[in-house]
Amino acid sequence: EIVLTQSPGTLSLSPGERATLSCRASQSVSGNYLAWYKQRLGQAPRLLIYGASSRATGIPDRFSGSGSGTDFTLTISRLEPEDFAVYYCQQYGSSGTFGQGTKLEIK
Amino acid sequence: EVQLVESGGGLVQPGGSLRLSCAASGFTFSSYAVTWVRQAPGKGLEWVSGISGTGATTYYADSVKGRFTISRDNSKNTLYLQMNSLRVEDTAVYYCAKDSRLRIFGCLDSWGQGTLVTVSS
Repeated sequence: EIVLTQSPGTLSLSPGERATLSCRASQSVSGNYLAWYKQRLGQAPRLLIYGASSRATGIPDRFSGSGSGTDFTLTISRLEPEDFAVYYCQQYGSSGTFGQGTKLEIK
Repeated sequence: EVQLVESGGGLVQPGGSLRLSCAASGFTFSSYAVTWVRQAPGKGLEWVSGISGTGATTYYADSVKGRFTISRDNSKNTLYLQMNSLRVEDTAVYYCAKDSRLRIFGCLDSWGQGTLVTVSS
């Protein structure tokens, strides 16, 4: 089973700053089937990125995904107040394992 | 608009059973796989079980294999999760999510609001 490790565990930034979140897989993710989700407190997760770099419907272009193989990155170019949340990566090429999450908090 | 509404959660004793339901609308239900994902209090997301659009293929996480059964009724646009031999560690919010394709293991492009299952004596 592929294990996903996200870093950092917590990221403290200010609105307007750039956020870079990492997701590393224990083995290559086939087809770059890697997704990113955002979860605000008390809410269900929401799909942001699929196929490592494609934005889901309605997701602003300040969100971008990159990477391939075992190393993937979610970048938020200019943080808005509503971006402070927990972010999860998920590989869906084989089974559906999630990373443990990165909490993005206001500094 | 895609809507997924879970129900059936509650308090159950260890060893007990519970059946969750997820009513879907706003899309052609039989054309997509659907998945259960859970989240223990204060913890991350855990993929639990998935079923293909036709219902022919199912998959379970090792943590629930042999205890949980996923099924769907495409005539009622409803997904189910039968949970038996429940353990304290099954306590979580259970989310129903729509896959992006007919087969299992697509990305999850729509989610319900979840239903809380508490296993405690």
